Amino acid sequence: QQQVKQSPQSLIVQKGGISIINCAYENTAFDYFPWYQQFPGKGPALLIAIRPDVSEKKEGRFTISFNKSAKQFSLHIMDSQPGDSATYFCAASKYQGAQKLVFGQGTRLTINP
Amino acid sequence: EAGVVQSPRYKIIEKKQPVAFWCNPISGHNTLYWYRQNLGQGPELLIRYENEEAVDDSQLPKDRFSAERLKGVDSTLKIQPAELGDSAVYLCASRRAYNEQFFGPGTRLTVL
Repeated sequence: QQQVKQSPQSLIVQKGGISIINCAYENTAFDYFPWYQQFPGKGPALLIAIRPDVSEKKEGRFTISFNKSAKQFSLHIMDSQPGDSATYFCAASKYQGAQKLVFGQGTRLTINP
Repeated sequence: EAGVVQSPRYKIIEKKQPVAFWCNPISGHNTLYWYRQNLGQGPELLIRYENEEAVDDSQLPKDRFSAERLKGVDSTLKIQPAELGDSAVYLCASRRAYNEQFFGPGTRLTVL
């Protein structure tokens, strides 16, 4: 019940296109859903996060869509740029207390110029 | 402010040898996490500290792994003896209450 399933494993998008990565979780106690971006040789960095009191959160070109009933959330990257090429991880946890993040398997995103 | 500092960045050892990783969290962050990230996978939590107390070490393989966080600041993660399957990136993260986790760059361990 702790799993977070992420898809696709890899994604190639043309510059200017929309990149979409999906995640599904099982534990209904989770109420914090962050997305992390990781470049080679670097640690994960928080990109954007959502709580279940809203169905969508937008920050610049990055949007999280959240569907509580389906236990799914997704990351949309609008106007994708070559600099967005990285590995993206979704995660889930309880917000209060320990914040024990359970990560998805990751998506390697490549933006072709 | 300075980020989470980890050293060494890379380590290559023979199996059965000991190895230690060091983490200096962001100043004022009382929660510290150690994660292991296998190739092509997401990070998995090994142990969490609240100040100097290890409050969650259920995922730590205690037969060979140990950790400490003296004085509630720096932390060290040790493996003794290392096995081939321990090859991974070991990430340290820190957090202030009710805020996001900040990750260090990690230590890439290769066990030959």
